[in-house]
Amino acid sequence: GAGVSQTPSNKVTEKGKYVELRCDPISGHTALYWYRQSLGQGPEFLIYFQGTGAADDSGLPNDRFFAVRPEGSVSTLKIQRTERGDSAVYLCASSPQRHSSYNEQFFGPGTRLTVL
Amino acid sequence: GQQVMQIPQYQHVQEGEDFTTYCNSSTTLSNIQWYKQRPGGHPVFLIQLVKSGEVKKQKRLTFQFGEAKKNSSLHITATQTTDVGTYFCAGKGAQKLVFGQGTRLTINP
Repeated sequence: GAGVSQTPSNKVTEKGKYVELRCDPISGHTALYWYRQSLGQGPEFLIYFQGTGAADDSGLPNDRFFAVRPEGSVSTLKIQRTERGDSAVYLCASSPQRHSSYNEQFFGPGTRLTVL
Repeated sequence: GQQVMQIPQYQHVQEGEDFTTYCNSSTTLSNIQWYKQRPGGHPVFLIQLVKSGEVKKQKRLTFQFGEAKKNSSLHITATQTTDVGTYFCAGKGAQKLVFGQGTRLTINP
């Protein structure tokens, strides 16, 4: 079956602009995660959804970042007033959450965001 | 907050040599996961360890979880060129995974 997909694959924007990044998780996966990965670093947690609700948004760096998952499948990460420091690869992952202690995460290919 | 440190940051070996990467958490973990990321790719799940002192093997890869559930290691025996990539550990606390910075493995054929 299809894996996690993310669009766009690349996004170049200017400082101060608004961007939306989309994630389509694996069908049936209830858990969805957003991460940000800078060059040479590990993925940095941003937010975790269980179903439609944000179960943990403690990784969002500030109020310019917001994410939604209105129907419990597709999610959108929204960044307002982008800054050059927001440039990174934004990764989405989903998990079947079969039971509470096991949550292998399936990552999408990422969206490379460049803020000029 | 929870921190996960991984060493070494880089490792270059000759094909056929062994490789080990170490992971240490500042807090006790409920479980630890390992991922591999090929150059230009995305992280791919390798394994999860849950029990104190647990050891799991996948062909040439051996994963260990420390007795105190604060450290872990990945050992690759007789590396092959297909092993090239960055290996990340990710420690799970209450909810979220915290990734280490990864160990980048390069191999001389």
